[in-house]
Amino acid sequence: DAGVIQSPRHEVTEMGQEVTLRCKPISGHDYLFWYRQTMMRGLELLIYFNNNVPIDDSGMPEDRFSAKMPNASFSTLKIQPSEPRDSAVYFCASSPGLAAYNEQFFGPGTRLTVL
Amino acid sequence: QQQVKQSPQSLIVQKGGISIINCAYENTAFDYFPWYQQFPGKGPALLIAIRPDVSEKKEGRFTISFNKSAKQFSLHIMDSQPGDSATYFCAASSLRNDMRFGAGTRLTVKP
Repeated sequence: DAGVIQSPRHEVTEMGQEVTLRCKPISGHDYLFWYRQTMMRGLELLIYFNNNVPIDDSGMPEDRFSAKMPNASFSTLKIQPSEPRDSAVYFCASSPGLAAYNEQFFGPGTRLTVL
Repeated sequence: QQQVKQSPQSLIVQKGGISIINCAYENTAFDYFPWYQQFPGKGPALLIAIRPDVSEKKEGRFTISFNKSAKQFSLHIMDSQPGDSATYFCAASSLRNDMRFGAGTRLTVKP
């Protein structure tokens, strides 16, 4: 298994532009998570899906952020418009079964820089 | 709301020494406490986990100590090696809670 796949690995964009981050979870995993990591705030859960349905998006910082999971093998996190404070590493993770008690498998992350 | 508080923020240990990272939680509903290890440029990966029905769990040089009454748990790395240099995250979860991560501890083991 290739593990969780994220693309792009690095993204540099200008303030105001739309950014789309992509994730392919491990096949068979029921849960998919989006996290943001910064030095100041550590690892923050943004949103998670169970069987393609968004369960909790309370961590999404504001309306500029949106996430979709159109099928079991693909999810996107979109920021529109992007701002410099969105600069961070964004991780996607997936887990089998009940999220609370199962290992989360993280992707390599997307390093986003907004100029 | 930070539900899991982790300390210290950074830690420097000499090779062969013991590294200790502490975490405290507030929600008594939490009943699963994993630790994740993250190397630079990589995503976090599960290192070791404990349930509150035991006070200690050991896997090789890594040990979790758990104090349910104090709502605290810690990671001990015995005989620390330069290859252990990484960021360590504690976390907590339960059936009714998503997994919440601590802020992370950057460990540096000097040769």
